[in-house]
Amino acid sequence: KNEVEQSPQNLTAQEGEFITINCSYSVGISALHWLQQHPGGGIVSLFMLSSGKKKHGRLIATINIQEKHSSLHITASHPRDSAVYICAVRPYSGGGADGLTFGKGTHLIIQP
Amino acid sequence: ETGVTQTPRHLVMGMTNKKSLKCEQHLGHNAMYWYKQSAKKPLELMFVYNFKEQTENNSVPSRFSPECPNSSHLFLHLHTLQPEDSALYLCASKISGYSSGELFFGEGSRLTVL
Repeated sequence: KNEVEQSPQNLTAQEGEFITINCSYSVGISALHWLQQHPGGGIVSLFMLSSGKKKHGRLIATINIQEKHSSLHITASHPRDSAVYICAVRPYSGGGADGLTFGKGTHLIIQP
Repeated sequence: ETGVTQTPRHLVMGMTNKKSLKCEQHLGHNAMYWYKQSAKKPLELMFVYNFKEQTENNSVPSRFSPECPNSSHLFLHLHTLQPEDSALYLCASKISGYSSGELFFGEGSRLTVL
């Protein structure tokens, strides 16, 4: 059974700090998604990765396929980055009908 | 704004009520999904529709009844729910058959069952 583990579960930091959120999974995957969920509830896709590294603004996502691990980094964090960050993986087999297995999310609070 | 609209955003209902959640997308997607999100739990897939046909019912109790009249609209009919059904219900859509395609989520409907 594929498990997706995120750490930390909760993170509170000061504005400007460098943030790292980690995601580990247990089976071979074709892609990994990082999603952002704001307090209102809606979910937005940040990145889809199958190898290497992607950058968008202050957000950087990396993946190490051999180690089955991905990280999401936020540079120069800002209170508007406060959200739940969800890791989801697309296993080669055994995923849900939507092909995705989700982590429980990391609740990030950035204080001014 | 992701192009997927859910209504209502908040719903409070008693256990004997009948209500419906609505999801609408005009992104040209032909696969639509209902997810349940409970506190401290990962997103749970409930139903999948591809080209208006239900292709997955993930062991969801019959008190939840989906309906997909066309590729742009998806409903979740609710009847005699239990307090433990209180959760955020999220709708999503994507292009069917494109396994690596991105899922687009709505803002969710926050349901409270009294």
